Amino acid sequence: EPEVTQTPSHQVTQMGQEVILRCVPISNHLYFYWYRQILGQKVEFLVSFYNNEISEKSEIFDDQFSVERPDGSNFTLKIRSTKLEDSAMYFCASRERLVVQETQYFGPGTRLLVL
Amino acid sequence: GNSVTQMEGPVTLSEEAFLTINCTYTATGYPSLFWYVQYPGEGLQLLLKATKADDKGSNKGFEATYRKETTSFHLEKGSVQVSDSAVYFCALSPLNRDDKIIFGKGTRLHILP
Repeated sequence: EPEVTQTPSHQVTQMGQEVILRCVPISNHLYFYWYRQILGQKVEFLVSFYNNEISEKSEIFDDQFSVERPDGSNFTLKIRSTKLEDSAMYFCASRERLVVQETQYFGPGTRLLVL
Repeated sequence: GNSVTQMEGPVTLSEEAFLTINCTYTATGYPSLFWYVQYPGEGLQLLLKATKADDKGSNKGFEATYRKETTSFHLEKGSVQVSDSAVYFCALSPLNRDDKIIFGKGTRLHILP
């Protein structure tokens, strides 16, 4: 069964450094999402992406964040200058179409630790 | 706005006990409703879903019925196993253009042998 993959599974970085989290959505999917889960808290929506542009973003998704689909298969989340509070599990998700019967499929997540 | 409220955890049960995890929602329109499960050290897996009122989602012995009159989507299982120990998230997806998923805070379930 097709699945969403994410790399790396874990990343440790120093505060102020840039990180890029990578996702490979399911190949025929058109809608892409990033979510995050701070340890012990609920999963929060960050951004949705369709047709090479951001569809919606949350308040969390400030100017330090950006997303890109550079090559038609990868979907990346960049944090330009990481802060301690960016430490979280980041989940990528994809969906084929925006119809009721379709489901978002989540990747296994990247655990980011900012020191 | 759209939101999901689910019962606080942790919930601790003995193996073969009956499980209910309560979930209520607030939404405009007719959202789709989901239960996701997160096993220790793993990502989010869709457990079951329902897309319209009175639909029952089911998977792996778990069930939940979309109750529009009470705006609820309670998760039930008749006989839990130790392997069901995980965090369970109730969630909704508003039927708008972007279709982001809005999650509840999660309920941690411990099953004792």
